[in-house]
Amino acid sequence: SAVISQKPSRDICQRGTSLTIQCQVDSQVTMMFWYRQQPGQSLTLIATANQGSEATYESGFVIDKFPISRPNLTFSTLTVSNMSPEDSSIYLCSASGTGITEAFFGQGTRLTVV
Amino acid sequence: QKEVEQNSGPLSVPEGAIASLNCTYSDRGSQSFFWYRQYSGKSPELIMSIYSNGDKEDGRFTAQLNKASQYVSLLIRDSQPSDSATYLCAANSGNTPLVFGKGTRLSVIA
Repeated sequence: SAVISQKPSRDICQRGTSLTIQCQVDSQVTMMFWYRQQPGQSLTLIATANQGSEATYESGFVIDKFPISRPNLTFSTLTVSNMSPEDSSIYLCSASGTGITEAFFGQGTRLTVV
Repeated sequence: QKEVEQNSGPLSVPEGAIASLNCTYSDRGSQSFFWYRQYSGKSPELIMSIYSNGDKEDGRFTAQLNKASQYVSLLIRDSQPSDSATYLCAANSGNTPLVFGKGTRLSVIA
């Protein structure tokens, strides 16, 4: 299984600011995903991070609010832009390898917007 | 709309009993099914995967899949208080993103 390192693990941010979350995988992976988990809820897919091209966003999520980069096969970033208290959530990076359908998760970033 | 449905619980079982967690999915094209365990404040941890009809056993865990009924279950034998967590069922087809259920909260009472 891939080991996924995510940072920061938590942050408290002022509304109107932006936070960039980094995700580093210890091996090359085919797919990288970003999920959001709001308190007491399940995981909601934000987008699929595509290497070398624009991310594929799910309904309800837009690039201006959640810009994503994936410059190579082991690294991705998610930025939460112009934050409001409604963005307070846990953000999770996930990855899966070629021919492997299961996904593994980083430890998550607990974001609080005040 | 691809959906995975789970009973949110809480499911309470006494220590040593069998815990049975159930999940249904809407997409008949789903090929791969997973159970994740999530402790409070932690990220999901993969505990079982199943791809074909029938049972798959791993230690105290048994996953069951019935594609005709679009039904997946997880049995935990000899439940321990340390098994108390939220269990997430997930499904996908090929290398598509996982679709998660809302999770079932399990409480094992000592």
